[in-house]
Amino acid sequence: QKEVEQDPGPLSVPEGAIVSLNCTYSNSAFQYFMWYRQYSRKGPELLMYTYSSGNKEDGRFTAQVDKSSKYISLFIRDSQPSDSATYLCAKGAGGTSYGKLTFGQGTILTVHP
Amino acid sequence: KAGVTQTPRYLIKTRGQQVTLSCSPISGHRSVSWYQQTPGQGLQFLFEYFSETQRNKGNFPGRFSGRQFSNSRSEMNVSTLELGDSALYLCASSAGTGGTAFFGQGTRLTVV
Repeated sequence: QKEVEQDPGPLSVPEGAIVSLNCTYSNSAFQYFMWYRQYSRKGPELLMYTYSSGNKEDGRFTAQVDKSSKYISLFIRDSQPSDSATYLCAKGAGGTSYGKLTFGQGTILTVHP
Repeated sequence: KAGVTQTPRYLIKTRGQQVTLSCSPISGHRSVSWYQQTPGQGLQFLFEYFSETQRNKGNFPGRFSGRQFSNSRSEMNVSTLELGDSALYLCASSAGTGGTAFFGQGTRLTVV
């Protein structure tokens, strides 16, 4: 079992839809989580960072973490064609593992006009 | 504030050669991590340097090595290149204490 599992999609939605992207993870040591967006042939761009259970909102994006079920989600409201990209969830750990991120496979999202 | 700078952006090398990639982190960041991204394997962790010391290492062969300088800039070296080393190599910059990590645009390496 991979440490971080993410459905690769692809996911195709109409403009204005609410998008839900999900990951599950294993290992219950101290963790923090990030969501990245990656456009084709570019480096990943940080969207959200969180380390506690619950919701964190930033504009149209909401990150949700449920540590009891080891489930993390990213919601995109009012999706736009410019949101079309690959979305990557990542898990970091503490202690001597700081600086090492474990990524999901990435979900390819297409928002069509 | 300048972002993470990786050079060169593109490289074409022949099997058996070696290559050195460079990464300049965000000013004040002491941690530089390197990742390999391929369509089949996704983003895989290579190693991390913090204050000039390798702190973490992924499951890659010894042909992959790195170092970090006193100004936090980091280099990654791959010796005896193989066709399977063709990938996007990304570096990430962070404070190194569990906070946010920012990526560069990557170096796309093609081995022929």
